[in-house]
Amino acid sequence: QLVESGAVVVQPGGSLRLSCAPSTFNLDDYAMHWVRQPPGKGLEWVSVISWDGGSTYYVDSVKGRFTISKDSRKNLLYLQMDSLTTEDTALYYCAKGIGAGADFWGQGTLVTVSS
Amino acid sequence: ANQLTQTPSSLSASVGDRVTITCRASQGISSALAWYQQKPGMPPKLLIHGASSLESGVPSRFSGSGSETDFTLTISSLQPEDFATYYCQQFNSYPHTFGGGTKVEIK
Repeated sequence: QLVESGAVVVQPGGSLRLSCAPSTFNLDDYAMHWVRQPPGKGLEWVSVISWDGGSTYYVDSVKGRFTISKDSRKNLLYLQMDSLTTEDTALYYCAKGIGAGADFWGQGTLVTVSS
Repeated sequence: ANQLTQTPSSLSASVGDRVTITCRASQGISSALAWYQQKPGMPPKLLIHGASSLESGVPSRFSGSGSETDFTLTISSLQPEDFATYYCQQFNSYPHTFGGGTKVEIK
């Protein structure tokens, strides 16, 4: 349903872009979320983009460093991640929003920030 | 940020038991709450949205209730496949915070 980019290792201070491709729905019809889960820990909501791309929101810990966006022509969701730290090491999920819930989730992309 | 406190953080129960998990918000969120089930190595699965609406395909033994600051997820008769970690998440304000999780283990 949601195909995410592959696992990656990046050095502290580095950048990378995650992608998420829905196979059965159009991104322009739904809000989309990014959620992360550090190894062995709980879930943390990271960001959301509205169905029309006009609104974006972030958790404080990533504001100014991460940017959520989408390419409607390609039907792709992105998370640009800059100035990465070891605290950003986690499995990153994209998820489709349905108001008060997220009903479809990708399998996750493991991001490891390490020197 | 609106903090969600889940209790208990873990519990041991037997097949057939009735299980109740609580999620308390630090600020009122109306009915903007979802419950998820997560098994090891898998993404979360939506169980309940809008505090009490059962997601399509989810067994009816799962139910959600509550509003504003106090919410409950109930499993009426625990089945072997229900042993997992459960999370609540609020959608009333940003950031859309999660509770800390409740791990349901076999007694």
